[in-house]
Amino acid sequence: GQNIDQPTEMTATEGAIVQINCTYQTSGFNGLFWYQQHAGEAPTFLSYNVLDGLEEKGRFSSFLSRSKGYSYLLLKELQMKDSASYLCAAMDSNYQLIWGAGTKLIIKP
Amino acid sequence: GAVVSQHPSWVICKSGTSVKIECRSLDFQATTMFWYRQFPKQSLMLMATSNEGSKATYEQGVEKDKFLINHASLTLSTLTVTSAHPEDSSFYICSARTEDREAYEQYFGPGTRLTVT
Repeated sequence: GQNIDQPTEMTATEGAIVQINCTYQTSGFNGLFWYQQHAGEAPTFLSYNVLDGLEEKGRFSSFLSRSKGYSYLLLKELQMKDSASYLCAAMDSNYQLIWGAGTKLIIKP
Repeated sequence: GAVVSQHPSWVICKSGTSVKIECRSLDFQATTMFWYRQFPKQSLMLMATSNEGSKATYEQGVEKDKFLINHASLTLSTLTVTSAHPEDSSFYICSARTEDREAYEQYFGPGTRLTVT
């Protein structure tokens, strides 16, 4: 079956670094997405990885290992506004997104 | 570019009534639209996929007679929740994809909060 696993909740301190892990199993693979979702709002796109390696985009970076079925989202210089849920989603062979349950990130001052 | 709008952004209705939610692609032609439902503290659940001019493909467990989807044009898809009940209260989100861009690009609407009393 198809499955996405990510931690339910994480806590970090303002200014610090946090890594949110995600493992996936899908029928075929057309890329791994990370979305940010604030409460009551729709998800907003953060990153897309289809090749192995690290993609850096400002304070956010995303890593993919296809052989391990593993990805992580790295957030640096955490700000209070980064408090949100982070959704990992893998795209299967039909270009359909398989969603994880999301990781709620709590930032403390 | 690639903006998707939803209307209404929130709606309250009485049990037994029907509610229609619109999803529009404002600056591109959406050949495929997706409808998701999200309950509190849960992830997005795909309800159905619709291609312009054809019948929607519903996910297992989603009643097609209850959740009517129409994708009549390349810029508009509608989801009608018929005979709504309190358990249908949820956050409904649409997303759209276009043939003009990479297959993996999907653009989300802002969501519609439905509360059934």
